[in-house]
Amino acid sequence: GAVVSQHPSRVICKSGTSVKIECRSLDFQATTMFWYRQFPKQSLMLMATSNEGSKATYEQGVEKDKFLINHASLTLSTLTVTSAHPEDSSFYICSARNSGSNYEQYFGPGTRLTVT
Amino acid sequence: AQRVTQPEKLLSVFKGAPVELKCNYSYSGSPELFWYVQYSRQRLQLLLRHISRESIKGFTADLNKGETSFHLKKPFAQEEDSAMYYCALSPPIKAAGNKLTFGGGTRVLVKP
Repeated sequence: GAVVSQHPSRVICKSGTSVKIECRSLDFQATTMFWYRQFPKQSLMLMATSNEGSKATYEQGVEKDKFLINHASLTLSTLTVTSAHPEDSSFYICSARNSGSNYEQYFGPGTRLTVT
Repeated sequence: AQRVTQPEKLLSVFKGAPVELKCNYSYSGSPELFWYVQYSRQRLQLLLRHISRESIKGFTADLNKGETSFHLKKPFAQEEDSAMYYCALSPPIKAAGNKLTFGGGTRVLVKP
């Protein structure tokens, strides 16, 4: 149990286009999901907290108009990278918090975004 | 501000030798502390959390509030322990957010 999926696992897009990444909790409901960014050989940096039915909370330095987050249901959060640039190329990881299991976070497998 | 420091980027040990991964934190209050592990080509997964006081896969971690440390230890390393290990901190569970702050990670390589 407690599986989190991400789609796509890998995406290549052209500079200036937008790309959407989905994060789903498959067998539990998650009122809160988190989006992280990981550069090569670096740690995970929290970008934003996604709250079901309300606006996301962004970390300092993260542009909310650049990284649009929607958490429309208890099992799905989406991250849209708008007007992508090569410097947005990174590994994006989501996690979902299981409020019924001591608030443990379960991580998705990540999405590799490459902007050309 | 909350911060997690893992001073070692790489630890290389022989199979059967003890291994200790250091983690120091700064937080004004009583945080929750975790160790996460990422095996090759797998997702990040929870290894243990300090409130559970468990031993998972032979690993233990002791919270030392005086030294603000949460070092991870295993007396006899196995080859399958080779992975990336992250120490992480969050505000107390009942606090709003439950956001995780990660350390930089330590790569463990267990040689045969």
